[in-house]
Amino acid sequence: AQTVTQSQPEMSVQEAETVTLSCTYDTSESDYYLFWYKQPPSRQMILVIRQEAYKQQNATENRFSVNFQKAAKSFSLKISDSQLGDAAMYFCAYRGRALTFGSGTRLQVQP
Amino acid sequence: DTGVSQDPRHKITKRGQNVTFRCDPISEHNRLYWYRQTLGQGPEFLTYFQNEAQLEKSRLLSDRFSAERPKGSFSTLEIQRTEQGDSAMYLCASSLIKGSTAYEQYFGPGTRLTVT
Repeated sequence: AQTVTQSQPEMSVQEAETVTLSCTYDTSESDYYLFWYKQPPSRQMILVIRQEAYKQQNATENRFSVNFQKAAKSFSLKISDSQLGDAAMYFCAYRGRALTFGSGTRLQVQP
Repeated sequence: DTGVSQDPRHKITKRGQNVTFRCDPISEHNRLYWYRQTLGQGPEFLTYFQNEAQLEKSRLLSDRFSAERPKGSFSTLEIQRTEQGDSAMYLCASSLIKGSTAYEQYFGPGTRLTVT
């Protein structure tokens, strides 16, 4: 069974600074997808970024980028130029038949 | 289309009562998923449908839980004889499968269940 581990329950960053959220996973599959989802307080989960395992190039979406290390089974999220609206729970997820989520990292953004 | 919708958004019920939640997916999506999220945790997979067929159920889905997706459109999740441990946010998500390509899951706002 796949497992996803987020070892940082909480992170804090100053507005305009850069922060990296960590995620590791375990799978025996060679082809899979990884995702980062954002869940703002009392609001629904939205997709931030996705990475296909067969692609060596790290995915980038505007201020969000990932560092995908397939051999190490590591999938970190970097948020550049942090904004107050980035404050939320961030979940790393592995997609098999359904999504397997980590326990989340609460990101606080300090003005 | 405004996305995945869920009804009700909040439900308070007494232990032992039955509850039913509804999810309306994005209209062209053929896959529909149910997840449960407890406070401070990530969502956990419960079950999913492709069109009207229920293809997989998690071990978390006890006999008191049943889900349906008649006609491959909306879905309902029923919990019978609710217990306090059922208190959680129930999330619905939908996605599109075309051939062997699976696209992203889009989540609804969730139904928060409180069992007193």
